Amino acid sequence: QQQVKQSPQSLIVQKGGIPIINCAYENTAFDYFPWYQQFPGKGPALLIAIRPDVSEKKEGRFTISFNKSAKQFSLHIMDSQPGDSATYFCAASKNTDKLIFGTGTRLQVFP
Amino acid sequence: DAGITQSPRHKVTETGTPVTLRCHQTENHRYMYWYRQDPGHGLRLIHYSYGVKDTDKGEVSDGYSVSRSKTEDFLLTLESATSSQTSVYFCAIRDGRRTYEQYFGPGTRLTVT
Repeated sequence: QQQVKQSPQSLIVQKGGIPIINCAYENTAFDYFPWYQQFPGKGPALLIAIRPDVSEKKEGRFTISFNKSAKQFSLHIMDSQPGDSATYFCAASKNTDKLIFGTGTRLQVFP
Repeated sequence: DAGITQSPRHKVTETGTPVTLRCHQTENHRYMYWYRQDPGHGLRLIHYSYGVKDTDKGEVSDGYSVSRSKTEDFLLTLESATSSQTSVYFCAIRDGRRTYEQYFGPGTRLTVT
């Protein structure tokens, strides 16, 4: 079953734009929400992660917003660059256990 | 790729043949995972290990087996490959002391004809 739903499937923005990728989860026991970035031919790389005790986390140009009551979290990429073009995956897990991944969002940033 | 290597990186095999993929880590991490990645499905967990000789099933374990005889190596075996197992396979590791972060290897692209 799809426990983590990710949208949109693909996203095209101009350089400097702020793409937003959304994820929704079902299991209220989830307590860890990471985002991974994957370039073609490479393995996913951990980008940023959040725990449910905070509503926002920033690392450089990347921000996670977390809404516990709505069971949603999102990734914002500030001042996006062509080098940010990649596929992004959200995920969730409980008790440090197995990660459940979303289906991915392909982001293209044009100059 | 966080001290993780996967071999082979690419493999083409025929239906019905056995295949073994290897994941090797140099980080001495306790936890190791095998995922498969398919379009429209993201990454799905096949099997994982929480120590030497300690393994458990994931979401899509049918048709796969694993073994871990040393901390550094985690093997994924397809006993009799089928076309539905054509996929990209990723290994991941996690340090039990840093409880949550998983780090992925470069992947193995497997094609079953």
